[in-house]
Amino acid sequence: GQNIDQPTEMTATEGAIVQINCTYQTSGFNGLFWYQQHAGEAPTFLSYNVLDGLEEKGRFSSFLSRSKGYSYLLLKELQMKDSASYLCVSMDSNYQLIWGAGTKLIIKP
Amino acid sequence: DGGITQSPKYLFRKEGQNVTLSCEQNLNHDAMYWYRQDPGQGLRLIYYSQIVNDFQKGDIAEGYSVSREKKESFPLTVTSAQKNPTAFYLCASGNGAISGANVLTFGAGSRLTVL
Repeated sequence: GQNIDQPTEMTATEGAIVQINCTYQTSGFNGLFWYQQHAGEAPTFLSYNVLDGLEEKGRFSSFLSRSKGYSYLLLKELQMKDSASYLCVSMDSNYQLIWGAGTKLIIKP
Repeated sequence: DGGITQSPKYLFRKEGQNVTLSCEQNLNHDAMYWYRQDPGQGLRLIYYSQIVNDFQKGDIAEGYSVSREKKESFPLTVTSAQKNPTAFYLCASGNGAISGANVLTFGAGSRLTVL
């Protein structure tokens, strides 16, 4: 079956760095997305990886290893507003999206 | 500003009643989607539409119905046949960017509670 695994919850300190891991098993692969979702709000797009390697976008970076079925989202210089859930989403060979349950990130002062 | 508007934001329903959730977009996107979000689970696809007057069932379509009469609008009806309708419902549209895959833009969501 198709599956996404990511930690349920993580805690980090303001100004620090945190890495949110995600492993996926899908029927074929057409890319890996990360979305951010603040409580009670809509998810918003953060990143998309389809090739191996690291994609950097400001304070956020996303990494992909297709051979390992693994991705991570790296958040630097954490701010209180980064407190949110981070959703890992894999796209299978039919371009269907498989959503992870999300990692709730708690930022402490 | 372009975006997706969902209404109502909160809705209470008695058992046995049908309710319709509105979703309107002005992004000129062809594809529109309805997802359901429950605590501790990933988003689950209810229905999607890639073009006007056409739509397909997602993974959990039972007890739901949709229509796509206009490009801008994709309303979802939660019928009395849906056994556990209390949930957060998200509407999204896709721009088809990134190698044919859709980067989704979401509405703010509708929280339905069945009393």
